[in-house]
Amino acid sequence: ETGVTQSPTHLIKTRGQQVTLRCSSQSGHNTVSWYQQALGQGPQFIFQYYREEENGRGNFPPRFSGLQFPNYSSELNVNALELDDSALYLCASSSNKGNTEAFFGQGTRLTVV
Amino acid sequence: EDQVTQSPEALRLQEGESSSLNCSYTVSGLRGLFWYRQDPGKGPEFLFTLYSAGEEKEKERLKATLTKKESFLHITAPKPEDSATYLCAVLTAGVYNFNKFYFGSGTKLNVKP
Repeated sequence: ETGVTQSPTHLIKTRGQQVTLRCSSQSGHNTVSWYQQALGQGPQFIFQYYREEENGRGNFPPRFSGLQFPNYSSELNVNALELDDSALYLCASSSNKGNTEAFFGQGTRLTVV
Repeated sequence: EDQVTQSPEALRLQEGESSSLNCSYTVSGLRGLFWYRQDPGKGPEFLFTLYSAGEEKEKERLKATLTKKESFLHITAPKPEDSATYLCAVLTAGVYNFNKFYFGSGTKLNVKP
């Protein structure tokens, strides 16, 4: 098991609602990346935070936003949820921006109905 | 456009039957190529990072190699416990040195006893 924990593990939301997902990074890691993984697909990069600043972003709309806190834990916020946002959301932490030896959490399964 | 393609999509092997998985990429400014293993319902597990063409890394029955256009994950004498989805990802430096990560869709490996 990695030291990366995500909460909650499962979540059901209604279209149009907002959701906040949380990630605690592994001890000593200052970089957190978030990914969306649809069923049967590889993870898609949402964004990366390094020492509390956004350090990279994939092709996701602005309603996907994030934060990293001084203890390097992180949040992913999604506004105005759409049915297509249903997916497994993964968080990965690493000790550097290069994501070398990134460790993933178990993910949050989000279902939008 | 940056792209990562994995083949085959699925692979069935008999225990002990060696084979290779392919990850081809077309990206600008490759910073690193990563291999992960993912078991159903779990987050990806880090295997290797490769940085430059000609580099090779080994771990137990797995060996990863990198060329300028593709990477191979060689599996020697696989066992049923090697059954999983194997994911390849690349790290590139985007505009303003922002990191971008691209995952392939994965190869689902099934090793029969």
